[in-house]
Amino acid sequence: DIVLTQSPGTLSLSPGERATLSCRASQSVSNNYLAWYQQKPGQAPRLLIYGASSRATGIPDRFSGSGSGTDFTLTISRLEPEDFAVYYCQQYGNSPRTFGQGTKLEIK
Amino acid sequence: QVQLVQSGAEVKKPGASVKVSCKASGNTFISYAIHWVRQAPGQRLEWMGWMNAGNGNTKYSQKFQGRVTITRDTSATTAYMELSSLRAEDTAVYYCAGPIATMAFDIWGQGTMVTVSS
Repeated sequence: DIVLTQSPGTLSLSPGERATLSCRASQSVSNNYLAWYQQKPGQAPRLLIYGASSRATGIPDRFSGSGSGTDFTLTISRLEPEDFAVYYCQQYGNSPRTFGQGTKLEIK
Repeated sequence: QVQLVQSGAEVKKPGASVKVSCKASGNTFISYAIHWVRQAPGQRLEWMGWMNAGNGNTKYSQKFQGRVTITRDTSATTAYMELSSLRAEDTAVYYCAGPIATMAFDIWGQGTMVTVSS
């Protein structure tokens, strides 16, 4: 199974700042099938990015994804109050589909 | 707009089984792939398996093989996930999810809390 390791575990930033979240895979992700999700308390995850760099429908352009192979990054260019949540990466190029352990983005 | 609506919370005793439903809106149910993902308290999301709603073919994670069964009722546009031989570690929120416009999980059900306790 592909193990996804996210860093940092917690990121403390202020609204307006830039956030950079990392996801590293234990082996290359096929076709760069790497997704990012946002999850708020009591809610289901929401798809932000798929295919490493494509924004899902309705996702603001302050969210961007990059990377390939084993190293991927989610960047939020200017944090809005509603962006503080937990973010998960997921690879769906290999079975079983696996998730990272999450990065909690909290208000500083 | 496709939506997935899940059944309500369950409390089960160790050794029992639980069956969670996931109803899809719209009349294109058979074109969907329905996946099941769970999230134990404080843990990462965990993929359990998936089903081709058109032909009923399934694939399960090795971790759950033999304990999980995913089925569907096409006339009711509903998918089901049954987990047997429950233990305390199965206490989690269970989600159905599906790739619609992408191959990632575009849509999610609202989640079903399953508590296993004696």
